[in-house]
Amino acid sequence: LAKTTQPISMDSYEGQEVNITCSHNNIATNDYITWYQQFPSQGPRFIIQGYKTKVTNEVASLFIPADRKSSTLSLPRVSLSDTAVYYCLVAVSGGYQKVTFGTGTKLQVIP
Amino acid sequence: EADIYQTPRYLVIGTGKKITLECSQTMGHDKMYWYQQDPGMELHLIHYSYGVNSTEKGDLSSESTVSRIRTEHFPLTLESARPSHTSQYLCASGGLAGVGSYNEQFFGPGTRLTVL
Repeated sequence: LAKTTQPISMDSYEGQEVNITCSHNNIATNDYITWYQQFPSQGPRFIIQGYKTKVTNEVASLFIPADRKSSTLSLPRVSLSDTAVYYCLVAVSGGYQKVTFGTGTKLQVIP
Repeated sequence: EADIYQTPRYLVIGTGKKITLECSQTMGHDKMYWYQQDPGMELHLIHYSYGVNSTEKGDLSSESTVSRIRTEHFPLTLESARPSHTSQYLCASGGLAGVGSYNEQFFGPGTRLTVL
């Protein structure tokens, strides 16, 4: 399983764009990159998934460079409700393998 | 609609009791998971299943056991609860079939267990 490394915590003011970078140096050819969001006392919620280049949905964008050894989750104009823990996961798409959530990045949005 | 249910939501029980935490999903997923998480701490995988009659241990050693007799049902049992088992237990499902993308896991609301 590819190991991921993320910052433990980040602070941001409301209305700013937040970029959270995840390192996954030993990512395999068949691995996809997936990001989850977790609020206190709730289970994680899927945000976005990608393989290479850029993926965008209504919540976030995911930037993946050509070497795929890192990825960046971008949250546009964050609000207080975006305060949560964000996890980066790497796994084979549809694969039958367990995945590890790791410690995640605790994002605190400040008014 | 993603539906995964866990009962009970909260459980306070005495030491030595046998407990079963229920988890059911209606999305037709083949993969199901149990995670344990203490407040503000990391999410630890304790059990997972790839389908009926398939169960595997996760990364964190747990005294609990699981069964997968039906696709939609993945209960977790503790034969003799202890205070060290106090934690939040989260169930999730995912897979090639049913709702969601291939790597997406859908989480239930969790069961907060307190053992006195």
